[in-house]
Amino acid sequence: DVKVTQSSRYLVKRTGEKVFLECVQDMDHENMFWYRQDPGLGLRLIYFSYDVKMKEKGDIPEGYSVSREKKERFSLILESASTNQTSMYLCASSPTGQSQETQYFGPGTRLLVL
Amino acid sequence: GEDVEQSLFLSVREGDSSVINCTYTDSSSTYLYWYKQEPGAGLQLLTYIFSNMDMKQDQRLTVLLNKKDKHLSLRIADTQTGDSAIYFCAENQGGYQKVTFGTGTKLQVIP
Repeated sequence: DVKVTQSSRYLVKRTGEKVFLECVQDMDHENMFWYRQDPGLGLRLIYFSYDVKMKEKGDIPEGYSVSREKKERFSLILESASTNQTSMYLCASSPTGQSQETQYFGPGTRLLVL
Repeated sequence: GEDVEQSLFLSVREGDSSVINCTYTDSSSTYLYWYKQEPGAGLQLLTYIFSNMDMKQDQRLTVLLNKKDKHLSLRIADTQTGDSAIYFCAENQGGYQKVTFGTGTKLQVIP
């Protein structure tokens, strides 16, 4: 089974702190994604990566950056956390190839910025 | 990006059928998906349909696709309390498996 793990389930940070959210997948997938999930807004894509050291902006990249130094690991960085970044963050991965391949999701990190 | 719209909430009685609707806007989407999110968990793929199909059935799940109206629905027969979750429809817009998700429909099953 594909496994996508996220470093924390719950995280509390203060405004202005630098925050790292880590995601690791064990299926050698090329593509990895970071979303945030907010009530009534669904999932919104922050950044994605289709290869090591490659990254593409999603729909809401402002205030975030990412790092993909190794194929299995995709990090989301909040350089200076703000209260409007309080949200559930979901990481996903998928293989390149047939379009019906689904994205596999981690359990999510619920971030509270005070 | 394109918007994928769903109603936010649906309540049904246990044993009844549930129908969750979705409207998408990108006619070039190749695949359309239904995901389920249980409380405190990530999303899990329930089923998908290829854009040249009208219907797909998988046990208690039936997916209907109306390409003309860009309308996708998920029917759950004999809904159980374990079906209580948030259901997301999503469309694949090609390239690196980039998928656009709907807003999610919270299904509440009343015993």
